[in-house]
Amino acid sequence: QKEVEQDPGPLSVPEGAIVSLNCTYSNSAFQYFMWYRQYSRKGPELLMYTYSSGNKEDGRFTAQVDKSSKYISLFIRDSQPSDSATYLCAMSVVRDDKIIFGKGTRLHILP
Amino acid sequence: GAVVSQHPSRVICKSGTSVKIECRSLDFQATTMFWYRQFPKQSLMLMATSNEGSKATYEQGVEKDKFLINHASLTLSTLTVTSAHPEDSSFYICSAIGRDGSSYNSPLHFGNGTRLTVT
Repeated sequence: QKEVEQDPGPLSVPEGAIVSLNCTYSNSAFQYFMWYRQYSRKGPELLMYTYSSGNKEDGRFTAQVDKSSKYISLFIRDSQPSDSATYLCAMSVVRDDKIIFGKGTRLHILP
Repeated sequence: GAVVSQHPSRVICKSGTSVKIECRSLDFQATTMFWYRQFPKQSLMLMATSNEGSKATYEQGVEKDKFLINHASLTLSTLTVTSAHPEDSSFYICSAIGRDGSSYNSPLHFGNGTRLTVT
């Protein structure tokens, strides 16, 4: 079993819809959880980070962590064509230490 | 915000030659830099971790003699792919953590990557 599992998609949704992206993990030692957005041929850009279980909101983005289920989610409200990208979940055991990435989910927002 | 600059963005080389990729932190001192490799439609795979002034720590399966990493200063790390072969063709991305680890707004700053094609 891989440490971090993420459905690669592609996921296509109409503009304005709510997008739900998810990852599961097997290592219960992970404490820090992040979501990155990566446009084609660019480096990843940090969107959200969380430490504790629960929800964290930032604008149209909400990150959710359920440590008991080893499951994290990223919700995007009012999705826009510019949100079309690959979204990678990532996690680490220790802050500022090695980060393990999911495979990334390719998201297409249809205008 | 913090910026990591990676150069070149794209390089094509012949099999058997060596290629050097530079990673610079432009407005902060990077105590630790990470080098990743990404194949098409795949996730980022950590290759090595480098700390300024010390030898890099390589992940299992990564040949340290083939992928030479030098972190000579707090703002520069280089990855040299020696005797490159077509199977080394990939997208290489560096990332850096700043000296002030108290700010977690951007725990990891990424460069824009280098696409290496070995012919």
